[in-house]
Amino acid sequence: KAGVTQTPRYLIKTRGQQVTLSCSPISGHRSVSWYQQTPGQGLQFLFEYFSETQRNKGNFPGRFSGRQFSNSRSEMNVSTLELGDSALYLCASSSQTGVNHNEQFFGPGTRLTVL
Amino acid sequence: AQSVTQLGSHVSVSEGALVLLRCNYSSSVPPYLFWYVQYPNQGLQLLLKYTTGATLVKGINGFEAEFKKSETSFHLTKPSAHMSDAAEYFCAVTGAYNQGGKLIFGQGTELSVKP
Repeated sequence: KAGVTQTPRYLIKTRGQQVTLSCSPISGHRSVSWYQQTPGQGLQFLFEYFSETQRNKGNFPGRFSGRQFSNSRSEMNVSTLELGDSALYLCASSSQTGVNHNEQFFGPGTRLTVL
Repeated sequence: AQSVTQLGSHVSVSEGALVLLRCNYSSSVPPYLFWYVQYPNQGLQLLLKYTTGATLVKGINGFEAEFKKSETSFHLTKPSAHMSDAAEYFCAVTGAYNQGGKLIFGQGTELSVKP
């Protein structure tokens, strides 16, 4: 099985712009979660989508949004970028069924730099 | 509410020595606990997990962890460190009851292995 893929791997934007990141989960996985990783704040949960619905949400401003498509692929969008949004954005997928339902598999991440 | 505390942001051991990375959690529901490892410029890889059943859990690469409910701990150990173990390690918790794909992470512990 192919793993979780994220595109693009690297991105450079300027303040005020918006950005869209993409995540393709492992085949058959219906849940996709997004995390932000920064040196200061560590790994923080952004949101989770399950069967095209946002099921859990972290404590991030409304500039951060996401969606999930019928094939379980997910995108996250950040509008009006700020310098503090520079981070590694990680996507993880899980099956949410069976004995390993809470086991999340992570992609390599998208490194976003905001100038 | 859930939280994770990892004691020690940096741990240094000699090759062949015991590795002990500490993790304490707080959870209002029965927890599922995980240890992940992250190598530079990569995503997270699952080392091991505790869901239910046996409290001593064995993972990949010779790592193991013991769930101690009375101490709310889930410390990670490896009897003999190898140079390739140098990486950052994250402890994470999620709730057992349909918490979905929401992992709460500790701040991480960077492990250095000296020759």
